[in-house]
Amino acid sequence: QQKVQQSPESLIVPEGGMASLNCTSSDRNVDYFWWYRQHSGKSPKMLMSIFSNGEKEEGRFTVHLNKASLHTSLHIRDSQPSDSALYLCAASITSGSWQLIFGSGTQLTVMP
Amino acid sequence: DAGVTQTPRHEVAEKGQTIILKCEPVSGHNDLFWYRQTKIQGLELLSYFRSKSLMEDGGAFKDRFKAEMLNSSFSTLKIQPTEPKDSAVYLCASSTGGASAETLYFGSGTRLTVL
Repeated sequence: QQKVQQSPESLIVPEGGMASLNCTSSDRNVDYFWWYRQHSGKSPKMLMSIFSNGEKEEGRFTVHLNKASLHTSLHIRDSQPSDSALYLCAASITSGSWQLIFGSGTQLTVMP
Repeated sequence: DAGVTQTPRHEVAEKGQTIILKCEPVSGHNDLFWYRQTKIQGLELLSYFRSKSLMEDGGAFKDRFKAEMLNSSFSTLKIQPTEPKDSAVYLCASSTGGASAETLYFGSGTRLTVL
């Protein structure tokens, strides 16, 4: 079982709509979560990070974290075609040694 | 400031060949990561260095994959011998290190095709 699981695998939303992406870890040694965005043919770039329970908002992007359930979600409001990309969730896991583990990603397509 | 530089951008190898991928991290960064990315498996960690010391050697990738950090500004990933299943994008990333809360900066990647 992968330590970081993302859902859905792919998501299509209309322009101006809300996109909601989910990420859960199966490892209780998670310290922090990040969200990275990877446009087609490009390398991943950090989008948002969240370390504490609750919510964090940056412009059209909002991240939620529930540490008890090891679940984080990313919400994009007023989605734009330029938001179309692969969204990767990463978890920092400290168990003996430290690892940064990525999920398989959610492919978001925003239709004009 | 220069970002993470990876060379070559593309590499084509015959099965059984040895290939070496190169990475220059962001100047001043202490942590360096090698990942492999495929559509099916996603991003898989191959190696992780902290201040040039190997911290993680990728478990299942140990037998044919060897990463080295010769100095704080240069790392190589050797695949020997290559197999068709190694076809993927190989990404190098660096970060400032220190605590476990760190942002990774990725290079543009090397797309490897093994025939």
